[in-house]
Amino acid sequence: DSGVTQTPKHLITATGQRVTLRCSPRSGDLSVYWYQQSLDQGLQFLIQYYNGEERAKGNILERFSAQQFPDLHSELNLSSLELGDSALYFCASSVDRGSTEAFFGQGTRLTVV
Amino acid sequence: GESVGLHLPTLSVQEGDNSIINCAYSNSASDYFIWYKQESGKGPQFIIDIRSNMDKRQGQRVTVLLNKTVKHLSLQIAATQPGDSAVYFCAEREGGSNYKLTFGKGTLLTVNP
Repeated sequence: DSGVTQTPKHLITATGQRVTLRCSPRSGDLSVYWYQQSLDQGLQFLIQYYNGEERAKGNILERFSAQQFPDLHSELNLSSLELGDSALYFCASSVDRGSTEAFFGQGTRLTVV
Repeated sequence: GESVGLHLPTLSVQEGDNSIINCAYSNSASDYFIWYKQESGKGPQFIIDIRSNMDKRQGQRVTVLLNKTVKHLSLQIAATQPGDSAVYFCAEREGGSNYKLTFGKGTLLTVNP
């Protein structure tokens, strides 16, 4: 158990809908990262937050947004969903903003039908 | 560019043999290179990292080698065990103020008993 909790574990939704994925980082970790994992694209970095502020942005679509709350949990919002958004979404956390050791949750499997 | 790739998508070894997983990277500005392991149904897990000014680093049963001349990274696993069966990702961390981790597509290691 990495200490990172992601909910829900599975999500099935229709195209055009909006979903919110939730992440609780390890106790004491200030950085939260979101990754998308699909078969053809591997593990793609989406965005990083550190202590409530956005620190780095990757290949995150405009339809996606995220935030980190004062209690350090994070949410990833995916809107206007398309079939191609079906993937595993991982949240990871680390103590500081530059750690090479990030602790990953078990992921949320999103299926868009 | 942000390309981190792998020479071999799959690797099958016998239990007790040594395994070598290779990775090519393209970003010379990366200051750390990291290996992660992902077991089926789980999130990636940190194995070992190496700073860009080092050539070799050893951990428990693992050794990472870095050849900056040819931009090549390898992970050696000694006395491979069935529990080592997983997908192995190399990753690189950008230097400067952007600590984004960029992952390669992964190599599937299968250990045969």
